[in-house]
Amino acid sequence: DAGVIQSPRHEVTEMGQEVTLRCKPISGHNSLFWYRQTMMRGLELLIYFNNNVPIDDSGMPEDRFSAKMPNASFSTLKIQPSEPRDSAVYFCASSRAGTPYNEQFFGPGTRLTVL
Amino acid sequence: AQSVTQPDIHITVSEGASLELRCNYSYGATPYLFWYVQSPGQGLQLLLKYFSGDTLVQGIKGFEAEFKRSQSSFNLRKPSVHWSDAAEYFCAVGVEFGNEKLTFGTGTRLTIIP
Repeated sequence: DAGVIQSPRHEVTEMGQEVTLRCKPISGHNSLFWYRQTMMRGLELLIYFNNNVPIDDSGMPEDRFSAKMPNASFSTLKIQPSEPRDSAVYFCASSRAGTPYNEQFFGPGTRLTVL
Repeated sequence: AQSVTQPDIHITVSEGASLELRCNYSYGATPYLFWYVQSPGQGLQLLLKYFSGDTLVQGIKGFEAEFKRSQSSFNLRKPSVHWSDAAEYFCAVGVEFGNEKLTFGTGTRLTIIP
């Protein structure tokens, strides 16, 4: 079975540009998570969805960040406008929601560089 | 709010030697505890988890962890490391039933020397 798929794997953009990161969760999983990993702040949860509905977005840094999950097989994380401090590796993870916590399966990540 | 501390940023061990990675948590009750591993350029993979019951938990790749309530710790151990164990290891905690949010520690980078 395919794991969590993220695209692109690498993204280099200039400050002020819009960036869209994409994620396809594992089929049958109904929870999806977006994380950001930096040297300074480690691994942070940005937002997570359950059954396509945002459940906890307390980690979304500011209004420049938005996430959507239009259906069970696709999610996007958008940054508009991007800034150099957004440079990080962004991970998507999915799980089959259960009681109390099921394993989160991580994608390979998107390395974002904002110049 | 809950927090997780991994006091060792970087550990170096010889191949074949034993390993212990430390994890301490802060939370008023018993949390749900996890260890994940991240190989270079990869996403994270679950090694093991603790929810309740036996405080010694077995995981994949020969790892185990012991929950000690009195010390608020959940240390990861392996009796004999292999070169392929070189990676970054993250401890994580979940506390809220019905919310799948995990709080991760800052990670411990493990280097294996021949």
